[in-house]
Amino acid sequence: DSGVTQTPKHLITATGQRVTLRCSPRSGDLSVYWYQQSLDQGLQFLIQYYNGEERAKGNILERFSAQQFPDLHSELNLSSLELGDSALYFCASSAGLAGGAYNEQFFGPGTRLTVL
Amino acid sequence: AQKVTQAQTEISVVEKEDVTLDCVYETRDTTYYLFWYKQPPSGELVFLIRRNSFDEQNEISGRYSWNFQKSTSSFNFTITASQVVDSAVYFCALSEGQAAGNKLTFGGGTRVLVKP
Repeated sequence: DSGVTQTPKHLITATGQRVTLRCSPRSGDLSVYWYQQSLDQGLQFLIQYYNGEERAKGNILERFSAQQFPDLHSELNLSSLELGDSALYFCASSAGLAGGAYNEQFFGPGTRLTVL
Repeated sequence: AQKVTQAQTEISVVEKEDVTLDCVYETRDTTYYLFWYKQPPSGELVFLIRRNSFDEQNEISGRYSWNFQKSTSSFNFTITASQVVDSAVYFCALSEGQAAGNKLTFGGGTRVLVKP
């Protein structure tokens, strides 16, 4: 158990809908990351938050947004869903902001999103 | 831009054989970090090892060992005396220095199947 929790585990929805994925980081970790794992794109970094502020952005679609709350949990919002958004969405957390010793990212179990 | 390549898509071995996974990376940074993660059939991503770009010492941790060579930009990972529980997809990942944040760039993964 990595200490990172994600809800829900599975989500099935229809095209055009909006969903929210939730992540609670490990106790004490200030950084939260979101990744998408799909068959055709592999594992891709979406976005990073550190202590409530956005710090880095990857290949995140404009239809997607995220935020990190004062209690450090994070939510990833996906809107106007398309079939191609079906994927496993991982949240990860680390103690600090940037790469370095003791700053490994620990991953949650993921949320499997299916868009029908 | 950073890039990670895992040329082997799938490796099949018989229990107790050694397995070596290849990883080649590209980065312009002089400070970077390399990781190996394991994704068992259950789907979670499990952190295995981390290496800093300024430390080329190769190590052994239990049945895991790694060979980091900056001259060839390679970070290979070996499982000694493989077991059925080692069956999983293994990902090599790279993160660059502080200026680039701590996002992970993953390779495409190598599926390891250990047969009894």
